[in-house]
Amino acid sequence: EPEVTQTPSHQVTQMGQEVILRCVPISNHLYFYWYRQILGQKVEFLVSFYNNEISEKSEIFDDQFSVERPDGSNFTLKIRSTKLEDSAMYFCASSPGLVIAQFFGPGTRLTVL
Amino acid sequence: QQQVKQSPQSLIVQKGGISIINCAYENTAFDYFPWYQQFPGKGPALLIAIRPDVSEKKEGRFTISFNKSAKQFSLHIMDSQPGDSATYFCAAIIFGAAGNKLTFGGGTRVLVKP
Repeated sequence: EPEVTQTPSHQVTQMGQEVILRCVPISNHLYFYWYRQILGQKVEFLVSFYNNEISEKSEIFDDQFSVERPDGSNFTLKIRSTKLEDSAMYFCASSPGLVIAQFFGPGTRLTVL
Repeated sequence: QQQVKQSPQSLIVQKGGISIINCAYENTAFDYFPWYQQFPGKGPALLIAIRPDVSEKKEGRFTISFNKSAKQFSLHIMDSQPGDSATYFCAAIIFGAAGNKLTFGGGTRVLVKP
C-alpha cells in the first residue's frame, strides 16, 4: 500500500541554522500539507499546497518557513533560521483530491538546541 | 473560533469494554468531522468520519455520535481490543477550493488492558 515517507526521522540542529524537512507524498496525490505537533500539544496545521503554490497557511507559517515541490515527487519544508520553539514533530500529508482523508507520513522530529 | 476541544487526555479500558472520547467545537463553518488514530512511530491515519447532518456513523466497532445543536461529537470503541491501544484525535475539516484544512483536538491516549 502506498505511503507518505519523510526524511530524516530525527533532525537535531543548532538555533539559527536552516533545516529542510523532506517528504515524498503518495504518487498521483495532488494536495500537500505540513502539520506540526509540539510535544504534549495538539497537531497544528501549517500550510497547504496545490498546483505548485501555497493555498493556505496558518499564522505559525511566517517568513521563516517555506515549502517547495522541487520535482514530481518531493515536497519540502524549509525553516530558514530555527528557533528553540520550532522543536516539534513535523508531519507531511497528502490527498488525491478534495477528499476527507489526508494521508500522513510518520513525521520528522526536529530538535533545536 | 477554530478550536476543537477533546477529552479525556488518557483512558484505560479493559479488553471488551467501551472506550468513549468526547469532542466539542465552536466554529459552525466546519464541513466534516473525522477521527484519526495514531500508533507510536506512525502518523495519524483516518479512522472514521461523519457529516454534520448525520447523527451517527458506525464502522465495525467504531461509532461516531454527533450532536449538532450541542456542537459535540464522540467516538465510541465497542469491544475494545489491545490492538486499539493508540492515540485518537478528533478533528474538523473546512473544505477549501485548493486544499482542506484539518483542525485537530488535543488527542486521547487509549490503553486497552488484556
